[in-house]
Amino acid sequence: GQNIDQPTEMTATEGAIVQINCTYQTSGFNGLFWYQQHAGEAPTFLSYNVLDGLEEKGRFSSFLSRSKGYSYLLLKELQMKDSASYLCAACDSNYQLIWGAGTKLIIKP
Amino acid sequence: TAGITQAPTSQILAAGRSMTLRCTQDMRHNAMYWYRQDLGLGLRLIHYSNTAGTTGKGEVPDGYSVSRANTDDFPLTLASAVPSQTSVYFCASSDSSGGSGANVLTFGAGSRLTVL
Repeated sequence: GQNIDQPTEMTATEGAIVQINCTYQTSGFNGLFWYQQHAGEAPTFLSYNVLDGLEEKGRFSSFLSRSKGYSYLLLKELQMKDSASYLCAACDSNYQLIWGAGTKLIIKP
Repeated sequence: TAGITQAPTSQILAAGRSMTLRCTQDMRHNAMYWYRQDLGLGLRLIHYSNTAGTTGKGEVPDGYSVSRANTDDFPLTLASAVPSQTSVYFCASSDSSGGSGANVLTFGAGSRLTVL
């Protein structure tokens, strides 16, 4: 079956770095997405990886290893506004998105 | 502001009643989607439409129906609501429906539905 695993909750300190991991099993693979979702709001797109390696976008970076079925989202210089849930989603061979349950990130001062 | 508008924002519904959740986008995106989001679970696809005039079933379509009469509107109907349909419903759209992995979704603000 198809499956996405990511930690339920993580806690980090303002100004620090945090890495949110995601492992996936899908029928075929057409890319890995990360979305951010603040409480009570809609998910918003953060990053997309289809090739192995690191994609950097400001304070946020996303990494993909297709051979390991693994991705991570790296958040640097954490700010209080980064407190949110981070959703990992893999695109399967039918271009359908398989979503993880999300990682709730709590930032402490 | 361009984007997706969903209505209502929230609704309490008696079991057995019907309900239509409205979704309108002004980005001229071809593809539209309805997801439900429940605590502890990932977003689950209910129905989708790759282009106006076509619809398809997602992972959890039972008890729901959709129509896509034009590019902008994609309403979701619950014919006879049951308590297990209590959820937050998100409408989304994308500029491509397949053939490319860069299928970035834009989401509406969500509709919170409680079925009693």
